[in-house]
Amino acid sequence: DAKTTQPNSMESNEEEPVHLPCNHSTISGTDYIHWYRQLPSQGPEYVIHGLTSNVNNRMASLAIAEDRKSSTLILHRATLRDAAVYYCIPNYGGSQGNLIFGKGTKLSVKP
Amino acid sequence: SAVISQKPSRDICQRGTSLTIQCQVDSQVTMMFWYRQQPGQSLTLIATANQGSEATYESGFVIDKFPISRPNLTFSTLTVSNMSPEDSSIYLCSVDVPGRRYGYTFGSGTRLTVV
Repeated sequence: DAKTTQPNSMESNEEEPVHLPCNHSTISGTDYIHWYRQLPSQGPEYVIHGLTSNVNNRMASLAIAEDRKSSTLILHRATLRDAAVYYCIPNYGGSQGNLIFGKGTKLSVKP
Repeated sequence: SAVISQKPSRDICQRGTSLTIQCQVDSQVTMMFWYRQQPGQSLTLIATANQGSEATYESGFVIDKFPISRPNLTFSTLTVSNMSPEDSSIYLCSVDVPGRRYGYTFGSGTRLTVV
């Protein structure tokens, strides 16, 4: 499994953009890059995933480096509800894969 | 995405006893996963449960301590056996949603305290 490096914690102000970085230099060519987040007292929830191209959905954007060794999750306007631990997880794209969680980044959002 | 019902949501148990945690999914799924989250820590995968076959355990987890059942495509149980205070954790089940459009779905977890 690919090893990931994320900052332990980050802070943001409400309604400002947040860029959460992740290094995954040992990622394999078939691994998708998944992002999950865990709100306090809840199970993790899916945020976004991608393989090579940048991806957008209603929650966030995912920018993937051309060499795929790093990626950045972008929250365009942070809200208080976005305060959570964010996990970057390289994962085999097929149905046989499972998710291996690293330590993640704890995002705090200030009003 | 799938909806998972996990029971119980929390329990306080005596050491030496066992607790069975149930995970019910509202649609048929191929793979179900069980995780443990110790206080203040990230999630650790315990095992993968496929219907009709024995569960596959990760390093450091054994069937005698964490027996798993997977009787059909919508249900699984995890038993924490002969509990000690070190087993106090949140236990979560997760499923791989067919088509992967919405990624994996997680239950809300079972908060277990062993006294």
